Amino acid sequence: QSALTQPPSASGSPGQSVTISCTGTNDDIGRFNYVSWYQQESGKAPKLLIYDVSKRPSGVPDRFSGSKSANTASLTVSGLQAEDEADYYCTSYVATNSWVFGGGTKLTVL
Amino acid sequence: QVQLVESGGGVVQTGKSLRLSCVVSGITLRGYAFHWVRQAPGKGLEWVAHISHDGGRTDYADSVKGRFITSRDNSNNTLFLEMSSLTKEDTAVYYCARQNWGPYFDSWGQGTLVSVSS
Repeated sequence: QSALTQPPSASGSPGQSVTISCTGTNDDIGRFNYVSWYQQESGKAPKLLIYDVSKRPSGVPDRFSGSKSANTASLTVSGLQAEDEADYYCTSYVATNSWVFGGGTKLTVL
Repeated sequence: QVQLVESGGGVVQTGKSLRLSCVVSGITLRGYAFHWVRQAPGKGLEWVAHISHDGGRTDYADSVKGRFITSRDNSNNTLFLEMSSLTKEDTAVYYCARQNWGPYFDSWGQGTLVSVSS
């Protein structure tokens, strides 16, 4: 199973919006609405941000939103804050109990 | 509050074996499936293995299939990852993660580092 494709980097100024894409195939993102996104701050474990394409766990600010179109999922961070600087990973469920991650996107707040 | 604590990492020679543990507290282990996810130094996340709530089903990434085995001891709230025939490509921080109400990982441990060298 090949990794999902994410841009290696993204950036924006405080207050701006940034969108990170995650491209898969008809066998993963295109087939299931089981895309999730994780935030990983430097030296820390990943943290669940978005699940089921667009749902937020309790405690995650509504500045984070997710969407999907065909084989591409997207994470949008609105009203960028300095604390949003981190690595972001998408993942999708693939048939027969396997999962695939994206390569990760490093978000820089300018 | 669920807490996951991995241990067992260290330096191991190529071709040798190592067993990782993940002790889970704050929940009843048997109610959940769990996963192992790894991250090579400076690289992205890679899904490694899944174990169902009762241990009756396990699934593995192609990169570790036939070499890694995951198991669980629900009575002692502990998960295991037995790794054999290790290669330098297995060098990574290994995380255990809980699968909750859907196919995603809502709680993670802090990870344990495995370094494979010759």
